[in-house]
Amino acid sequence: EVQLVESGGGLVQPGGSLRLSCAASGFAFSSFWMHWVRQAPGKGPVCLSRINSDGSGTSHADSVKGRFTISRDNAKNTLYLQMNSLRAEDTAVYYCARGFGVYGDAFDIWGQGTMVTVSS
Amino acid sequence: SYVLTQPPSVSVAPGKTARITCVENNIGSYSVHWYQQKPGQAPVLVIYYDSDRPSGIPERFSGSNSGDTATLTISRVEAGDEADYYCQVWDRSSDHVVFGGGTKLTVL
Repeated sequence: EVQLVESGGGLVQPGGSLRLSCAASGFAFSSFWMHWVRQAPGKGPVCLSRINSDGSGTSHADSVKGRFTISRDNAKNTLYLQMNSLRAEDTAVYYCARGFGVYGDAFDIWGQGTMVTVSS
Repeated sequence: SYVLTQPPSVSVAPGKTARITCVENNIGSYSVHWYQQKPGQAPVLVIYYDSDRPSGIPERFSGSNSGDTATLTISRVEAGDEADYYCQVWDRSSDHVVFGGGTKLTVL
């Protein structure tokens, strides 16, 4: 079964750090672009970060640039999101998603999400 | 920056056709993807590259894209189609993936 499973969310104080993980199974992980998408309560999804199949190229949204870093370990079939200098507005459900299509820009497989709460 | 405008809500009776729009200047020159999201669940891709359907998505779901408007059409609407729907594009010029604000589909 094709599956993505996120972990690493939780409650963190403002200014703190978290590392999210996304374990992939059931498909050739190293062949796909991967993305992190977050969704604040009651809001729509927002794409945060993207990484190409071999990890040599990344892109981050302006709202997290310099604070968040996407990476991957293809030997472990795992995607990561290192989040530093967390703010209250980073509170959201964080999803990893597989990029599909010529440019990997359609998200055909999503994880179940992991909740990140930034609060003192 | 690219902003995709969707109506906040659309209501339709069972068995009828629902149309959800996604508007932006010259969106027809972009590839549009559509997602369905039910409460407490992750989004599900229902249409990609304007009008293609992933395996497992009913033929009742279709898409079109031209000019300034992309449209998701759901024919013979069922109660189980009630959900939030989001359009999404990749803006190559800024290298940003953009989602629309979402449309809540209510089945009367």
